[in-house]
Amino acid sequence: DAGITQSPRHKVTETGTPVTLRCHQTENHRYMYWYRQDPGHGLRLIHYSYGVKDTDKGEVSDGYSVSRSKTEDFLLTLESATSSQTSVYFCAIRDRGWDTGELFFGEGSRLTVL
Amino acid sequence: KNEVEQSPQNLTAQEGEFITINCSYSVGISALHWLQQHPGGGIVSLFMLSSGKKKHGRLIATINIQEKHSSLHITASHPRDSAVYICAGEGNEKLTFGTGTRLTIIP
Repeated sequence: DAGITQSPRHKVTETGTPVTLRCHQTENHRYMYWYRQDPGHGLRLIHYSYGVKDTDKGEVSDGYSVSRSKTEDFLLTLESATSSQTSVYFCAIRDRGWDTGELFFGEGSRLTVL
Repeated sequence: KNEVEQSPQNLTAQEGEFITINCSYSVGISALHWLQQHPGGGIVSLFMLSSGKKKHGRLIATINIQEKHSSLHITASHPRDSAVYICAGEGNEKLTFGTGTRLTIIP
């Protein structure tokens, strides 16, 4: 199994509070991704990173920010959580870029915003 | 319209049956992933393919580039194969996921 862990695995918070989800990998993979999974939708890309301090937006990036100060950690921050951000969040890693390399996923972080 | 469409959405079969899950995708997708998501949520990559066929144990994935279609087959299905199977098309620096096929294998 790829060494990828997400924390926290479950979180309940209130509207307007900040939330940070952490993705930690031990594989030294260059590419890291944050997705959200909602009923009726496929996984949707929030942000991704192609190296330390190199990040880019995905299709549903509004309301989210990311940071990657070390190869192994990719943080997803909700500055002011809203109920529409209630979702299951998945981190994924791969060692090469688009069209190459297997994807490895974390176990998911279930976030509930009340 | 989603660029990746899966069928069926739900599939229930008896143990031992041969299973086929289909995935159709749009122009611009150059590689296709098959993923498995078990109850409890973890996602595991099964295959990535851009042509032909790949096999791993009882799982077989095929892709037809001209018809923009891929299939995932499970031979001698078992209750532990019960999961959601997701296809994802990759191309133009983008990965587009289908909504998944929920497979239930009854003993």
